[in-house]
Amino acid sequence: DSGVTQTPKHLITATGQRVTLRCSPRSGDLSVYWYQQSLDQGLQFLIQYYNGEERAKGNILERFSAQQFPDLHSELNLSSLELGDSALYFCASSVVNGEQYFGPGTRLTVT
Amino acid sequence: AQSVTQLDSQVPVFEEAPVELRCNYSSSVSVYLFWYVQYPNQGLQLLLKYLSGSTLVESINGFEAEFNKSQTSFHLRKPSVHISDTAEYFCAVSAATGTPGKLIFGAGTRLAVHP
Repeated sequence: DSGVTQTPKHLITATGQRVTLRCSPRSGDLSVYWYQQSLDQGLQFLIQYYNGEERAKGNILERFSAQQFPDLHSELNLSSLELGDSALYFCASSVVNGEQYFGPGTRLTVT
Repeated sequence: AQSVTQLDSQVPVFEEAPVELRCNYSSSVSVYLFWYVQYPNQGLQLLLKYLSGSTLVESINGFEAEFNKSQTSFHLRKPSVHISDTAEYFCAVSAATGTPGKLIFGAGTRLAVHP
């Protein structure tokens, strides 16, 4: 158990819909990262928050957004969903030195 | 920017045989290097890391990796594998800045250990 929690574990939704994925980092970790894992793209960095502020952006679509709240949990919002958004979404957290601990992931299926 | 190349997409090996999973990276700045393991239907677990100091790093379950700066490599080795080592292994790199940074992953190597 990494100490990072993600909910829900599975999500099935239809095209055009909007979903919210939630992540709670390890106690004391200020940085939260979101990654997408798909068969064709592999593991891709989406976005990073540090102590409530956006720190870095990767290959994140404009339809996707995220935020980190004062209690340091984070949410990833995916809207206008397409079939190609089906993937595993991971959250990770870290405190220093780039060592990141990953949550169990949310498997999103868009039908 | 950084990039990671894992040279083998699949590595089949017999139980108790040695194995090497190859990883090369590219970066214009100093880096931190990691190996993560993903068992079927699970998340990523940190296997080992190179941040600084000794170039040979070891995990608690017998894996080791050596940072070779001149060859920009961070190959993962185990002298004797078990069936339970069957998993996907990801090499990752991040810039060694003062602020924790994003991980860039390789495409992964699927290790299949056969009896």
